[in-house]
Amino acid sequence: IQMTQSPSSLSASVGDTVSITCRTSQNINNYLNWYQQKPEKAPQLLVYGASRLQTGVPSRFAGSGSGTDFTLTISNLQPEDFATYYCQQTHSYFTFGPGTKVDIK
Amino acid sequence: QVQLVESGGGVVQPGKSLRVSCVASGFSFRSFGMHWVRQAPGKGLEWVAVIWYDGNNKYYADSVEGRFTISRDNSKNTLYLQMDSLRAEDTAVYYCAREIIFGGGVIFFDNWGQGTLVTVSS
Repeated sequence: IQMTQSPSSLSASVGDTVSITCRTSQNINNYLNWYQQKPEKAPQLLVYGASRLQTGVPSRFAGSGSGTDFTLTISNLQPEDFATYYCQQTHSYFTFGPGTKVDIK
Repeated sequence: QVQLVESGGGVVQPGKSLRVSCVASGFSFRSFGMHWVRQAPGKGLEWVAVIWYDGNNKYYADSVEGRFTISRDNSKNTLYLQMDSLRAEDTAVYYCAREIIFGGGVIFFDNWGQGTLVTVSS
């Protein structure tokens, strides 16, 4: 299963709302997760099953979508949200998207 | 709390072997599937291998199939990745991660180690 993410990078300001799109080459139902990774750190789970927020993750993060098109939306962007975000499909083995880097405008 | 600690990384020559380990604590290790995920310098995440909770099933990415072997010792709460015939393109930080199977077959990785760097270079 091939995965794409768009955009590959974006610049935003604190308080903005940003959306990251993940597309898969075939229908994966809701077997889609989102991770956040900060420099020199391990990835951290944000969203699983396309829309379920991991325990402890702020409610400004929201996942949506099913089938082949998915979106991660971050509302009211905070300084600690500047990071790289990866989607992951678990429908057929495990594949990560190429990542989206969110940096400060 | 759940803790995963990798070790064993280092510099190794092309064609040689290396084994990295991941020691788990804070949960019933024998009850969870475990994965290895790697990240080449400046690149994205690449899934490498998975082993079921009992060690009876293992699956690999095409890029490492036949060269890498995942294993576990549930009596020692330890996950291993034996890497043979190493290539320059295997240079990466190797993370271990715990698998969670949620309802409806949803699977995700809820805890990750800090990673161990493997550098393949002559």
